[in-house]
Amino acid sequence: LAKTTQPISMDSYEGQEVNITCSHNNIATNDYITWYQQFPSQGPRFIIQGYKTKVTNEVASLFIPADRKSSTLSLPRVSLSDTAVYYCLVRGSQGNLIFGKGTKLSVKP
Amino acid sequence: DADVTQTPRNRITKTGKRIMLECSQTKGHDRMYWYRQDPGLGLQLIYYSFDVKDINKGEISDGYSVSRQAQAKFSLSLESAIPNQTALYFCATSEPTTSGRQFFGPGTRLTVL
Repeated sequence: LAKTTQPISMDSYEGQEVNITCSHNNIATNDYITWYQQFPSQGPRFIIQGYKTKVTNEVASLFIPADRKSSTLSLPRVSLSDTAVYYCLVRGSQGNLIFGKGTKLSVKP
Repeated sequence: DADVTQTPRNRITKTGKRIMLECSQTKGHDRMYWYRQDPGLGLQLIYYSFDVKDINKGEISDGYSVSRQAQAKFSLSLESAIPNQTALYFCATSEPTTSGRQFFGPGTRLTVL
């Protein structure tokens, strides 16, 4: 069963780049790696998804090495509004997404 | 996502009561999910449905049941609510693709006294 491991919390300051690394040693060959953001009392929101190498969109970049056993979410120039919990997910055997405890990112002024 | 709505948004009930949480979506997705989130933890899958005739148990289905009334509607029932079912409940939908990106509703906060 594919699971993910990521840091419980991270602190940063406004304007800095934040990199959150996730370990997924047992990822299946056809699994994607997906990152979600969640604010308190709200549903998770999709940030980015990738299969290998690098993916970039308007809010983040996702770096995936060749062995795909880890991935790094990069948030450029964070602001206070980026304070949230970030989840790294892979798909489970039932086809569902497996949520861990996520990384609580705190951005300070 | 406003395309996925949940009712009620908040509910307080008593132990032993039967409770139904409803989810509707306008995204046209076949796949729908119910999750539960306890404070400080990630989401746990309760039930999921890949189409109207398909219902599957998730990680923590005991004490819960679901009904897929139509493609757009997926209801979660607590047959006899107990205090440790106090949690935030999320409904989600997804397209039937390998990537499986999910779209979540705003959540229902349920308190069982």
